[in-house]
Amino acid sequence: ETGVTQTPRHLVMGMTNKKSLKCEQHLGHNAMYWYKQSAKKPLELMFVYNFKEQTENNSVPSRFSPECPNSSHLFLHLHTLQPEDSALYLCASSQGGLETQYFGPGTRLLVL
Amino acid sequence: GENVEQHPSTLSVQEGDSAVIKCTYSDSASNYFPWYKQELGKGPQLIIDIRSNVGEKKDQRIAVTLNKTAKHFSLHITETQPEDSAVYFCAASGFQAGTALIFGKGTTLSVSS
Repeated sequence: ETGVTQTPRHLVMGMTNKKSLKCEQHLGHNAMYWYKQSAKKPLELMFVYNFKEQTENNSVPSRFSPECPNSSHLFLHLHTLQPEDSALYLCASSQGGLETQYFGPGTRLLVL
Repeated sequence: GENVEQHPSTLSVQEGDSAVIKCTYSDSASNYFPWYKQELGKGPQLIIDIRSNVGEKKDQRIAVTLNKTAKHFSLHITETQPEDSAVYFCAASGFQAGTALIFGKGTTLSVSS
């Protein structure tokens, strides 16, 4: 275990649904990240939070909405997704933005 | 911005052989280069990393080399075992506030016994 947990591990949703992904880190880190991992593509950075403040938004569509209430928790709120949004969504954390990132197991999302 | 190229995309070796995966990067300011291993159903796990003030680093059967002039770095796995079979990702990062990792596309390593 890396100290980063993600729930749920699997999610199936329709295009009109609203759901949320949760990430929690138990490492005392102050930076948290959301990545999207699709088949045959590199890991795509979506959002970065440092000390609860969003420092990067990598041109992510507004149907993905992140929330970071404290340094240990990170959410990704999903609404009106498209089938092409189906992917593995990975959360990571690090001690600052320059240090090693530790990943959670991911949430496998399928949009029907 | 940074761009990371990784080769090969797939690699098959016999147990006991060595495996080498190579990455190139574009941003000369990048100075942190981790390697991750991702097994089926799991998130990427850090296996080794190197910073730009070091040319080579070893950890048992795994080694990473860095050539800053040529802007490439490589992962070397010796005496491969079936449990080394996984997807391996290289990444590069610059020492700027908020800069996150840029990943290569990954290499699927298969070790047959």
